[in-house]
Amino acid sequence: KNQVEQSPQSLIILEGKNCTLQCNYTVSPFSNLRWYKQDTGRGPVSLTIMTFSENTKSNGRYTATLDADTKQSSLHITASQLSDSASYICVVTPTSGTYKYIFGTGTRLKVLA
Amino acid sequence: DGGITQSPKYLFRKEGQNVTLSCEQNLNHDAMYWYRQDPGQGLRLIYYSQIVNDFQKGDIAEGYSVSREKKESFPLTVTSAQKNPTAFYLCASRGHTNEKLFFGSGTQLSVL
Repeated sequence: KNQVEQSPQSLIILEGKNCTLQCNYTVSPFSNLRWYKQDTGRGPVSLTIMTFSENTKSNGRYTATLDADTKQSSLHITASQLSDSASYICVVTPTSGTYKYIFGTGTRLKVLA
Repeated sequence: DGGITQSPKYLFRKEGQNVTLSCEQNLNHDAMYWYRQDPGQGLRLIYYSQIVNDFQKGDIAEGYSVSREKKESFPLTVTSAQKNPTAFYLCASRGHTNEKLFFGSGTQLSVL
């Protein structure tokens, strides 16, 4: 069964600190893996996308990595800001051609001043 | 919100009542999706449409219905058959390239 699991479920850090969120998936084969940011009460917004052949992608203070051998991805946030407080969702797109996306349960990040 | 408008932001349903959630996009995207989001769970697919006048059931379609009469619009009706409708509903669309989903701002549905 295609699954995407994220850890930790929630995380609290102080402003200015770095953090890393994890995503483990069993989807195979897949065409790409995305990280989305979802503010409370809003829709998710895409942060990064990686194909199966890429192993890192950056978007400002956000850096995503992908290890296709171990089926793991991580999202590293550098120098966190209060506005980083949100849920971060890992999404894997299978190559089955049905346009069905597999969503992780998300990591809820809280950045404190 | 990437050109996708969902309304209303909050909706209350009485027992036995059907309610319709609106989703409009001006991105000229062919594919549109409806997802349900519950606390602690990943987004679950209700219905999706790859082209006008065509749609397919997702993983949790029971108690829901959709229509796709126009490319821009993909309304979702939550029928009285859906016994646990309280959730956050997200509409999304996807263009031809790179499979990126654009989401609306969501509708929170609650039962009175």
